[in-house]
Amino acid sequence: NAGVTQTPKFQVLKTGQSMTLQCAQDMNHNSMYWYRQDPGMGLRLIYYSASEGTTDKGEVPNGYNVSRLNKREFSLRLESAAPSQTSVYFCASSEETIGKLFFGSGTQLSVL
Amino acid sequence: GNSVTQMEGPVTLSEEAFLTINCTYTATGYPSLFWYVQYPGEGLQLLLKATKADDKGSNKGFEATYRKETTSFHLEKGSVQVSDSAVYFCALTGGYNKLIFGAGTRLAVHP
Repeated sequence: NAGVTQTPKFQVLKTGQSMTLQCAQDMNHNSMYWYRQDPGMGLRLIYYSASEGTTDKGEVPNGYNVSRLNKREFSLRLESAAPSQTSVYFCASSEETIGKLFFGSGTQLSVL
Repeated sequence: GNSVTQMEGPVTLSEEAFLTINCTYTATGYPSLFWYVQYPGEGLQLLLKATKADDKGSNKGFEATYRKETTSFHLEKGSVQVSDSAVYFCALTGGYNKLIFGAGTRLAVHP
């Protein structure tokens, strides 16, 4: 009963380092999403993928890239981390029912 | 574009108190409205939803009514429990299967 699995759970980077956040879902969902959560700002959409092979920018895509590797996996890459990217990152997937998202448990990222 | 505004927290209540968390929205068209809950250390979970005006969503004793005339979707519960302590997010649809979230309201319930 895994649902949406994110790795790692915690990460500390230095400014300029790169890293990839991994996300996988086992519910056969077409749509997948990456959000960031910052205090007082709620969740903001970084990128989403409506289906395998497609990706689109969300509200705050600058500084990030994504890959929809297959139907299960959707990764988020920071090429050159900046302190402004310190946040909690959530991956989510959805079935066809509008608005019903299933979230992973998050990755807490600190960029020093 | 579509947006949602929630009351600032934290909201601190005693067990069995009545809860209201306010949510108002701005939208073009007829969005669907949602409440999500985030328990400590976890991702968000869908709590309830309403897809058209005057619909009432309900789950686990929580309820919210889609009020088009006041553009509101306030979350209520008649008697809160310590286990309800969490962060609550109001959200609405903002395009193809995308959600726009409010800033979240932290609820702390004390015995």
